[in-house]
Amino acid sequence: NAGVTQTPKFQVLKTGQSMTLQCAQDMNHNSMYWYRQDPGMGLRLIYYSASEGTTDKGEVPNGYNVSRLNKREFSLRLESAAPSQTSVYFCASSNEFRGITGELFFGEGSRLTVL
Amino acid sequence: QQQVKQSPQSLIVQKGGISIINCAYENTAFDYFPWYQQFPGKGPALLIAIRPDVSEKKEGRFTISFNKSAKQFSLHIMDSQPGDSATYFCAASPSGTYKYIFGTGTRLKVLA
Repeated sequence: NAGVTQTPKFQVLKTGQSMTLQCAQDMNHNSMYWYRQDPGMGLRLIYYSASEGTTDKGEVPNGYNVSRLNKREFSLRLESAAPSQTSVYFCASSNEFRGITGELFFGEGSRLTVL
Repeated sequence: QQQVKQSPQSLIVQKGGISIINCAYENTAFDYFPWYQQFPGKGPALLIAIRPDVSEKKEGRFTISFNKSAKQFSLHIMDSQPGDSATYFCAASPSGTYKYIFGTGTRLKVLA
């Protein structure tokens, strides 16, 4: 059981380049999330998808777009990368019971450097 | 605006000692308070969680203490071991939403 799989694990971009981070989960979870982790800032929510076909902004959505391709896959796109987007990105998924969010399951992260 | 304040930023404890990490929140709508553990190069993983209808929850060496009136909760690690060395995040979630708010993290090092 792979859980949450992210690709790529490492990426170096130049300012202005675009790229897509891919995420897939095999736990049949309804909800999926993208977080970024920066030193001293904890984990901050970029976007989330409560269910297939829906997406919504989190705390720090500027400069990002997302696509919930199907129930398994949730991608994060940087259209024009900036040095401020240098970070470690984590995808997560969860299930809900009676409207209460359950445990978040995280991938191993994608380390992005923007030069 | 940071809605969950976590302290300390780092902590060094001797093997066998007690590690204590504290968090404070502002939003009274929060009703789920998990702690996540993260090892280097890995994603965070749920360690233990509590809801505000109880004041304490214990799982093995890990205990959450919750003070609803003070809007504070803390993680206690008893008999700390070198294998507990990791970064710990507290979090809070409002009822009916999918938006966890995480603390800034505490890097724990347990000396052998």
